Amino acid sequence: QQQVKQSPQSLIVQKGGISIINCAYENTAFDYFPWYQQFPGKGPALLIAIRPDVSEKKEGRFTISFNKSAKQFSLHIMDSQPGDSATYFCAASTHQGAQKLVFGQGTRLTINP
Amino acid sequence: ETGVTQTPRHLVMGMTNKKSLKCEQHLGHNAMYWYKQSAKKPLELMFVYNFKEQTENNSVPSRFSPECPNSSHLFLHLHTLQPEDSALYLCASTRDLGVSYEQYFGPGTRLTVT
Repeated sequence: QQQVKQSPQSLIVQKGGISIINCAYENTAFDYFPWYQQFPGKGPALLIAIRPDVSEKKEGRFTISFNKSAKQFSLHIMDSQPGDSATYFCAASTHQGAQKLVFGQGTRLTINP
Repeated sequence: ETGVTQTPRHLVMGMTNKKSLKCEQHLGHNAMYWYKQSAKKPLELMFVYNFKEQTENNSVPSRFSPECPNSSHLFLHLHTLQPEDSALYLCASTRDLGVSYEQYFGPGTRLTVT
């Protein structure tokens, strides 16, 4: 199965709070897990990515937590700001053949001021 | 950002029309992609080109016909589309097909089929 399941579909967080988006996958051949951020009228843009040899990666307020045994990974946004309001997509791919990203369904995040 | 541009940004076409979407990348990348983004569905990979050669066709109907004349340009030719083909069509590029190279997306073409 190539599917990547993402939850929740939508999320509302107060300014300054922590936003958490979760993804789960089945294909154990996946070895690259990026998160993309998409604003209205724009294409997705890479936010942060992780390889399965580490359990956590942090870049500023954004952290990916990765649980290889559970086949799950999540995005944490600390001190969430109104400017973080966007749609977030998790994705996964393997090193076999072309880089084919399999995307989750997306999470629409709204940060209330 | 102007790394990957797409034209037109919006397109309305009838089911019997023929139109083309254009993508251009200014990043010196070698691989280019077409994706379809529909409401409440994951982004769907349609086609992959590497050094102008098609390496992936993700079971896309023949009414969608891609063309890659060089590594900087990618076209999607459309004919006899169906209303369910209405979606945002995104182009992306990457340095090459290595697994951890970032894909850069264009802003997309919003297609409506009437």
